[in-house]
Amino acid sequence: LAKTTQPISMDSYEGQEVNITCSHNNIATNDYITWYQQFPSQGPRFIIQGYKTKVTNEVASLFIPADRKSSTLSLPRVSLSDTAVYYCLVGGPTGRRALTFGSGTRLQVQP
Amino acid sequence: SQTIHQWPATLVQPVGSPLSLECTVEGTSNPNLYWYRQAAGRGLQLLFYSVGIGQISSEVPQNLSASRPQDRQFILSSKKLLLSDSGFYLCAWSFRDDEQFFGPGTRLTVL
Repeated sequence: LAKTTQPISMDSYEGQEVNITCSHNNIATNDYITWYQQFPSQGPRFIIQGYKTKVTNEVASLFIPADRKSSTLSLPRVSLSDTAVYYCLVGGPTGRRALTFGSGTRLQVQP
Repeated sequence: SQTIHQWPATLVQPVGSPLSLECTVEGTSNPNLYWYRQAAGRGLQLLFYSVGIGQISSEVPQNLSASRPQDRQFILSSKKLLLSDSGFYLCAWSFRDDEQFFGPGTRLTVL
């Protein structure tokens, strides 16, 4: 399994941009990178997924350098409701390897 | 649309008692199914995943077992619960290697 490393926690203020970086040095050629968000007592919710370069959706952007050994989730103009745990996952076809979650990054947004 | 159900929502069980948690998915066929456990303040630990009826893969040795008697039914069981089995149990489904969709979870307390 490709292991991921994220900061344990981050603090921010409302309206700021937040960037959470994840290291995945052992990422395989056919792995892609997925980020999830989890609120207390709820299951994680998909945010964004990418393979290389940059992906953007209505919620976030995902930046992946050419070597793919890291990725950065960017949350523009965070609000209090973005306070949650964010997980970075790398994974491939489930016939060989299932997506697994690490410890995640606990983001606390202050007013 | 697809829906995932888990029950019960909460459960308090004595040490040594059996366990059965059920997860069902509606609105899709032949999904990949997953069982996760999350201890308080920790990340998600993948316990089991299944790519088809009767096909179960275990990620960690443990006191639990899983079964998939029907295409959209995934059951987590134990013959004798341990204190360390307490946690938040999440069932998820995905279509092949796409994003995972999580159920509402079961909070299990073993006393």
